[in-house]
Amino acid sequence: QQQVKQSPQSLIVQKGGISIINCAYENTAFDYFPWYQQFPGKGPALLIAIRPDVSEKKEGRFTISFNKSAKQFSLHIMDSQPGDSATYFCAATHSGTYKYIFGTGTRLKVLA
Amino acid sequence: DAGVIQSPRHEVTEMGQEVTLRCKPISGHNSLFWYRQTMMRGLELLIYFNNNVPIDDSGMPEDRFSAKMPNASFSTLKIQPSEPRDSAVYFCASSTGLEQYFGPGTRLTVT
Repeated sequence: QQQVKQSPQSLIVQKGGISIINCAYENTAFDYFPWYQQFPGKGPALLIAIRPDVSEKKEGRFTISFNKSAKQFSLHIMDSQPGDSATYFCAATHSGTYKYIFGTGTRLKVLA
Repeated sequence: DAGVIQSPRHEVTEMGQEVTLRCKPISGHNSLFWYRQTMMRGLELLIYFNNNVPIDDSGMPEDRFSAKMPNASFSTLKIQPSEPRDSAVYFCASSTGLEQYFGPGTRLTVT
């Protein structure tokens, strides 16, 4: 019940296209869902996060869509650029613990 | 403001040796997390501290692993004795609440 399932494992998108990464969780106590971006040789960097009281959050080209009833959330990268090529991790936590459960990661490659 | 600082960035050691990884959290952050990242197991939380006190160490793989946080600005993760299967990238992260900020990591290779 603690798992966060992430898909796809890898994704190739043309420059200017939309990249979509999906995550699903089981624990209904989770109430904070961040996405992290990791470049090779670097630590994960917080990209965007959402709480379950909203269905969508947008920051620039990055949007999180959240479906509470389905226990799913997704990251959409609009107008994908080669510089977006990285590994993306979703995560979930309960605000009482601050203990993140990470998805397995999606390796995104954006072709120039 | 400086981010999370980790040292060393790379460590190569022989099996059986003691390894100490160091972390300086972001000033003012009261929670600190140690993670391990491998291809096989992804990002795993090893232990986390709140106000310098260990809250959850259920992710620490075995007694060979230990972590300390003697003050708000310093933490160590020690492996003694090290084994080849400990080879991984170890990250430290800090936070004041829900948002965690990661350091650059220490790549550990045990031969």
